[in-house]
Amino acid sequence: SYELTQPLSVSVALGQTARITCGGNNIGSKNVHWYQQKPGQAPVLVIYRDSNRPSGIPERFSGSNSGNTATLTISRAQAGDEADYYCQVWDSSTAVFGTGTKVTVL
Amino acid sequence: QVQLVQSGSELKKPGASVKVSCKASGYTFTNYAMNWVRQAPGQGLEWMGWINTNTGNPTYAQGFTGRFVFSLDTSVSTAYLQISSLKAEDTAVYYCARDLGYCSGGSCHEDAFDIWGQGTMVTVSS
Repeated sequence: SYELTQPLSVSVALGQTARITCGGNNIGSKNVHWYQQKPGQAPVLVIYRDSNRPSGIPERFSGSNSGNTATLTISRAQAGDEADYYCQVWDSSTAVFGTGTKVTVL
Repeated sequence: QVQLVQSGSELKKPGASVKVSCKASGYTFTNYAMNWVRQAPGQGLEWMGWINTNTGNPTYAQGFTGRFVFSLDTSVSTAYLQISSLKAEDTAVYYCARDLGYCSGGSCHEDAFDIWGQGTMVTVSS
């Protein structure tokens, strides 16, 4: 079965840039979606189809996808960006989530 | 506005059954597939499967066959998840999530999960 690997945690200084990776075999050939989940809340879609932002998501969130790695970038990180982040793809009609990354803003 | 509202928390004994509801509003229910996602305490997101809201045809992920049933009542724009023979390891938050991909002619396009319910906590304990 297809697997997506994310770092367990990423730390970023306030106002700096955080990059969260999502590794998978030839993930560049798939559409990657990213979700933000704050404690006690439901996940929220922040990037869909590699690099598209839903309405209401700040421009500070961006995504890219190539080769075996997709990346979610959070620019000018704010305290409110502290959350768990999950990548997700579809593989053989199965939705697969990444292992999740906890982002801490210092 | 577009939203999914789920039923409240449940406390069940092992061996019992539970039915979680997910009521959609603000859009045409049958135009978008509905997915179900489980999150055990302190764990990540796990996809359980989805149901075609056009045809009512469910698809279950590996590990979610047998005791798990997805169903619909399109007259009230509601999707349901029923779990039977509950076990302690079923303790989790269960989310419904709308698929951004459009359903047409009996098939649905796989895409991102753009709208999520607030989650339903199911606790299984004797």
